[in-house]
Amino acid sequence: AQKITQTQPGMFVQEKEAVTLDCTYDTSDQSYGLFWYKQPSSGEMIFLIYQGSYDEQNATEGRYSLNFQKARKSANLVISASQLGDSAMYFCAMRVSGGSNYKLTFGKGTLLTVNP
Amino acid sequence: GAVVSQHPSRVICKSGTSVKIECRSLDFQATTMFWYRQFPKKSLMLMATSNEGSKATYEQGVEKDKFLINHASLTLSTLTVTSAHPEDSSFYICSASRLAGPYEQYFGPGTRLTVT
Repeated sequence: AQKITQTQPGMFVQEKEAVTLDCTYDTSDQSYGLFWYKQPSSGEMIFLIYQGSYDEQNATEGRYSLNFQKARKSANLVISASQLGDSAMYFCAMRVSGGSNYKLTFGKGTLLTVNP
Repeated sequence: GAVVSQHPSRVICKSGTSVKIECRSLDFQATTMFWYRQFPKKSLMLMATSNEGSKATYEQGVEKDKFLINHASLTLSTLTVTSAHPEDSSFYICSASRLAGPYEQYFGPGTRLTVT
């Protein structure tokens, strides 16, 4: 079975600083994908970044980067130069390849608050 | 691209009535659509996976007869909550996955259901 663990229920960061949101995962599959989603108070799930298990380089998307450490089974999200609009819930998720459907397993989420 | 809509965004219904929620992929063909339920301050719980033209696959513990899912086309899936009760009140989110990889799921804005 797949499991995603986010150990930080809440995080605070000052505007313009960087913040790291932790995510560890557990799977016996060799091929999998890791995702980060942002959920503002409006409820919409916004896709941020993706890392494949065979990708050798860490994924980056603008101010978002994924610190992928395969041996430690961690996929931490780094947000650089935090903005007030980054305040939201952040979910780490894992998709296991293979089978007919690519289901996502979500962590419990981290509530990020950016202070001015 | 990859826009998913949901309708309605909010619905209030009386106990015992049925409610239909629509999920549409607006600019891509979605071979697979997923339905999630989210309780306040909790993570997303996958309810079922639907593939166009076939029966939905429900997760363990989800009542098939209560949560009817239809995926009639590559752009539309519907979730009908039958004989709704107050405990069915929740935030329901759909997502759609493209035919081609990496199969990230694009989420709709969600539907807030309140059963009185």
